[in-house]
Amino acid sequence: AQSVTQLDSHVSVSEGTPVLLRCNYSSSYSPSLFWYVQHPNKGLQLLLKYTSAATLVKGINGFEAEFKKSETSFHLTKPSAHMSDAAEYFCVVRASNTGKLIFGQGTTLQVKP
Amino acid sequence: KAGVTQTPRYLIKTRGQQVTLSCSPISGHRSVSWYQQTPGQGLQFLFEYFSETQRNKGNFPGRFSGRQFSNSRSEMNVSTLELGDSALYLCASSLTGGDTQYFGPGTRLTVL
Repeated sequence: AQSVTQLDSHVSVSEGTPVLLRCNYSSSYSPSLFWYVQHPNKGLQLLLKYTSAATLVKGINGFEAEFKKSETSFHLTKPSAHMSDAAEYFCVVRASNTGKLIFGQGTTLQVKP
Repeated sequence: KAGVTQTPRYLIKTRGQQVTLSCSPISGHRSVSWYQQTPGQGLQFLFEYFSETQRNKGNFPGRFSGRQFSNSRSEMNVSTLELGDSALYLCASSLTGGDTQYFGPGTRLTVL
């Protein structure tokens, strides 16, 4: 069975400093992994996705994630945080080739001025 | 292209009532999935419809049901509402289900 674990429920950074949101996954085969972001009272927006083409995936708004099979990790990073990055971030794995997504518990990113 | 739309955006019901939520997918998308988001349980998969057929189902009671129409629009119904059904209900559409899902803004259901 597939699952994801987000290792931090809350991350706080200062504006202009790097962001690291950690995610470990469990999957019995090569997974499809995603990061979604949710701003307050909004739906979910896709940041980036990994589908086995390249291990380093670039997304929108300067975010990127690296798929590391040996560590079963898919951490999300950004070199320099912006105030507008404050939101809830979800690491997600897709259950086989269907429309069922399995979500991590989410990481709240706080960006301090 | 227009995004995924959900109606209504907000809904207030009382215990025991039933409710129907609607989701219109992105044009050309045939898969629609529904999710429930609560502070305690996070985001949980309800079910997926593809070409008018339920293809996957999550671990929710039979009070939660859905359907999909020939134009791929989908509805979700919850009968005999309970206080614990208060949540943000999100739908997502994709071309086939096995590709990227795009989410709507959600319907906020409050059960009093």
